[in-house]
Amino acid sequence: DIVMTQSPDSLAVSLGERATINCKPSQSVLYSSNNKHCLAWYQQKPGQPPKLLIYWASTRESGVPDRFSGSGSGTDFTLTINSLQAEDVAVYYCHQYYSSRRTFGQGTKVEIK
Amino acid sequence: QVQVVQSGAEVKKPGASVKVSCRASGYTFTAYFMHWVRQAPGHGLEWMGWINAGNGNTEYSQRFQGRVSITRDTSASTAYMELSSLGSEDTAVYYCARGVYDPNWNCNCHMDVWGKGTTVTVSS
Repeated sequence: DIVMTQSPDSLAVSLGERATINCKPSQSVLYSSNNKHCLAWYQQKPGQPPKLLIYWASTRESGVPDRFSGSGSGTDFTLTINSLQAEDVAVYYCHQYYSSRRTFGQGTKVEIK
Repeated sequence: QVQVVQSGAEVKKPGASVKVSCRASGYTFTAYFMHWVRQAPGHGLEWMGWINAGNGNTEYSQRFQGRVSITRDTSASTAYMELSSLGSEDTAVYYCARGVYDPNWNCNCHMDVWGKGTTVTVSS
């Protein structure tokens, strides 16, 4: 199985500042058919199901604020939250869908400093 | 609107089985996949398996192989996840999530719409 390693496990960011979360798959997740990376990011708030933010590593899901962006290639990917808002406090997960047997990162908890 | 609605909370004894349902609406059920993901208290997301709602093909996590079965009833637009030989470690919230199929790339892609979750408690 592809192991997804996120860093850091948690971070505290001041309101209006930038939060950066990293995700490192144990192997390439590049889909040769379209030359895109099979990587998604989810946000989960307490007591709620996960919410899709980003897929194909950098495509924002409809309705997701543009302060959320995804980037990366190879085995290094990043979720960036620009100008952190109070409602962005959550746990964020990366997820690979390259392999038919899916895996998630362990999660990164984002809090307000 | 597109949604998936899960069955209610369950309490089971060790060694028993549980079957959770996930009813889809607002889209063509057979054109998508359905995944099952669980989350133990205070822990992260753990993928369990998926079913191709069109042809019924399945794939399971090795961690649950032999203990989990995912099925569907296309007439009811409903997917089911049955987990057997329950232990206390199976106490968790179980989510179903729609899996996007992109025919342009023949891709069983990301999960986009999630159910609210079903709490399964295993206790003697």
